[in-house]
Amino acid sequence: QSVLTQPPSVSAAPGQKVTISCSGSSSNIGNNYVSWYQKLPGTAPKLLIYENNKRPSGIPDRFSGSKSGTSATLGITGLQTGDEADYYCGTWDGSLSPYVVFGGGTKLTVL
Amino acid sequence: QVHLVQSGAEAKKPGASVKVSCKASGYNFPSFGVSWVRQAPGQGLEWMGWTSTSNGNTNFAQRFQGRVSMTTDTSTSTAYMELRSLRSDDTAIYYCARNGGSSLWYPFDNWGQGTQVTVSS
Repeated sequence: QSVLTQPPSVSAAPGQKVTISCSGSSSNIGNNYVSWYQKLPGTAPKLLIYENNKRPSGIPDRFSGSKSGTSATLGITGLQTGDEADYYCGTWDGSLSPYVVFGGGTKLTVL
Repeated sequence: QVHLVQSGAEAKKPGASVKVSCKASGYNFPSFGVSWVRQAPGQGLEWMGWTSTSNGNTNFAQRFQGRVSMTTDTSTSTAYMELRSLRSDDTAIYYCARNGGSSLWYPFDNWGQGTQVTVSS
């Protein structure tokens, strides 16, 4: 089991909006920044969001992040078929090793 | 432009060791840490550990303690990850990833292409 909990899958139609949740605890999300990664099939993960809600250069503003307490959320608007991928949240955990923890991943299907 | 290029696929027998390399370019190598993350078939991402590219300090996930080494060669801007006493459940794609700063406490802003390691008798 992953330290961070994500829904296994979400789906929505093209053009719609979807949110992906990531739940943790005070030792990880509650006291650390959250990042989000997109993993397209057969490719390496890609950083989408860091420090809860910041986007690296080149990431469109269709992608957004937020954090409240011990949970974080990734939002994607204007869904495109190219957004079909696995999405992972990640953060640090000060109470255990491993220091870096990921969610189990969420498969996004664009119907 | 930042590039991380990893070594090629490996096939190993149980009990053997594997060493994966990750050659960096396009940035000042000693200024950014390198982490290693793996993904087993059908599984999620798993962080293995981190190494400082400036002083060689390391932090490893507990489950890999004693079985993994992470080193760097600043003369060639290359990071290495060696995993020993391989088991079949070590079969995975292994990624190197650049931390966005010198320490472990930065997200992974650039990734290598991945190296498939297959452990089978």
